[in-house]
Amino acid sequence: QVQLVESGGGVVQPGMSLRLSCAASGFTFNSYGIHWVRQAPGKGLEWVAVISYDGSRKKFADSVEGRFTISRDNSKNTLYLQMNSLRPEDTAVYFCARDAGLYQLPPNWYFDLWGRGTLVTVSS
Amino acid sequence: DIQMTQSPSTLSASVGERLTITCRASQSISKWLAWYQQKAGNAPKLLIYDASSLQSGVPSRFSGSGSGTEFTLTISSLQPDDFATYYCQQYNDYSWTFGQGTKVEIK
Repeated sequence: QVQLVESGGGVVQPGMSLRLSCAASGFTFNSYGIHWVRQAPGKGLEWVAVISYDGSRKKFADSVEGRFTISRDNSKNTLYLQMNSLRPEDTAVYFCARDAGLYQLPPNWYFDLWGRGTLVTVSS
Repeated sequence: DIQMTQSPSTLSASVGERLTITCRASQSISKWLAWYQQKAGNAPKLLIYDASSLQSGVPSRFSGSGSGTEFTLTISSLQPDDFATYYCQQYNDYSWTFGQGTKVEIK
């Protein structure tokens, strides 16, 4: 089954760190760029970060630049989002989403496959 | 940064109605626009890409049009399953931005 499954969400205090994972199955993970997108409670979608199929290209939203890092392990078909110095405004459901472009450098397309998301709550 | 503005923010409609949602970009994005549908508690689902291409498996009552800075999503005959929130997204020049969403409610 073609799918993305996020994990690692939870409740953390401001200033703490958290690492999210996104496990892929049913497709050639190492051929696609993958994005993180978040959605604060009751709000719209916000693009967070992207990594190219080979890990060589990365880009972040201004709101998380310098605090979040993105990486992938193609041998494990898994994407990661390391979130440091978390703030209350980072509270959201975090989705991973596949870039529709195959072997694109940099990734530059729409999102054709989404995970169901994992909730991150930053609160004291 | 490219800003995306959707209108209206909320829309009340009845089953069988024709529906149009508009999305405007702050600068030209050619045809690099997608539309997604999201139901409460679920992930977004891709409906339209490249402004007017229908994603595989999406009903033909959904259609998209436009280029440059003005785009529309049309549902030709609203079905009960279509009550949801719709987002446009630009993917131009190694950047991605979503509109604020349009919630389609039952009249």
